[in-house]
Amino acid sequence: DGGITQSPKYLFRKEGQNVTLSCEQNLNHDAMYWYRQDPGQGLRLIYYSQIVNDFQKGDIAEGYSVSREKKESFPLTVTSAQKNPTAFYLCASRKVQGTYDYGYTFGSGTRLTVV
Amino acid sequence: AQSVTQPDIHITVSEGASLELRCNYSYGATPYLFWYVQSPGQGLQLLLKYFSGDTLVQGIKGFEAEFKRSQSSFNLRKPSVHWSDAAEYFCAVGPSGGYQKVTFGTGTKLQVIP
Repeated sequence: DGGITQSPKYLFRKEGQNVTLSCEQNLNHDAMYWYRQDPGQGLRLIYYSQIVNDFQKGDIAEGYSVSREKKESFPLTVTSAQKNPTAFYLCASRKVQGTYDYGYTFGSGTRLTVV
Repeated sequence: AQSVTQPDIHITVSEGASLELRCNYSYGATPYLFWYVQSPGQGLQLLLKYFSGDTLVQGIKGFEAEFKRSQSSFNLRKPSVHWSDAAEYFCAVGPSGGYQKVTFGTGTKLQVIP
């Protein structure tokens, strides 16, 4: 079955450390997204990519970086510049054909905790 | 700018009772509207979406939603709630066409009591 795989499910980061969250999809979707979820704040967009080797900042990109070297993969690095990284991170892909939007497909998330 | 308001943070219903979750949006043109559901510690799953046509949309798991342009609303309903429906529900709005940004509401957490 096609889907999105996020790993690891739980991740612990020490102060001053960079960590990378993995996101892989086998849906052949062009667009991929990273969202951050905090209690009571809904989902906030970090970065998104519509095609390989191209990506755009979302609403809260500071302290994060991404790459899109392959269509299937969109890893997110949480850098030491992100001062409050403890959150639940969701990766998603999306298929659009013309004006028809199929909606997002989400992974099961990575919970990042600073220790 | 587009926005979504889910006025109810928490809702508690009895199993077998009907359910309505409210969603109000702000968008200048014809929007794409979505409802997603999230179980604890999991990702979001698409329940249904509306773009055009019939304003009453049927989704998975027995859910439906009605688009009311005059009220800028897209409320989610279910005639009879099951204990397994306990989850958090998110409404979202986006423009039609392309990969432009979709804006999510802050969610409504549903508790189902026996």
